[in-house]
Amino acid sequence: GAVVSQHPSWVICKSGTSVKIECRSLDFQATTMFWYRQFPKQSLMLMATSNEGSKATYEQGVEKDKFLINHASLTLSTLTVTSAHPEDSSFYICSARMAGRNTEAFFGQGTRLTVV
Amino acid sequence: GESVGLHLPTLSVQEGDNSIINCAYSNSASDYFIWYKQESGKGPQFIIDIRSNMDKRQGQRVTVLLNKTVKHLSLQIAATQPGDSAVYFCAEKFMEYGNKLVFGAGTILRVKS
Repeated sequence: GAVVSQHPSWVICKSGTSVKIECRSLDFQATTMFWYRQFPKQSLMLMATSNEGSKATYEQGVEKDKFLINHASLTLSTLTVTSAHPEDSSFYICSARMAGRNTEAFFGQGTRLTVV
Repeated sequence: GESVGLHLPTLSVQEGDNSIINCAYSNSASDYFIWYKQESGKGPQFIIDIRSNMDKRQGQRVTVLLNKTVKHLSLQIAATQPGDSAVYFCAEKFMEYGNKLVFGAGTILRVKS
């Protein structure tokens, strides 16, 4: 149980295009999902907290117009990187917290984004 | 950005030995801590957690110790195996900030056979 799936696992896109990454909780309902970004050999940096049915809360320094987050259902959140540039290339990871619980979060397998 | 822990050290241990991975946290109000294991190219995998009202918790081959006085967390892995090689992160739950998880810098564990 408690499986979180991200899609795609990796994506290569051209500079200036937009890319959408999906995060799904497969066997539980997630009222809260988190999006992280991770550069090589570095820790996970929280980008935003997404609550189902409401606007995401972005961390300081994260451009909300560039990283669009939608959490339209209890099992799906999406992150859209708009007008991607090479510096947006990174490993993006989502996590989901079960409805009614405020402790551990379960992570997806990550999405490797390369902007060329 | 926020960070629990100040280093990204590498710990090399011989197969079969015990490993101790350390983490320092900064927010004394945090009430919940988690250790994650991350293998290359994958998302973090939950290992063990501990609440702030505890000072020790044991799992299968792993033990987490929490010292609130010095704001220090450690993960002990018994009889380390090659499959334990990965990056280990501690994470801290900020209750007053919407229960978000903040990750430490991580420790690379290399197991020598």
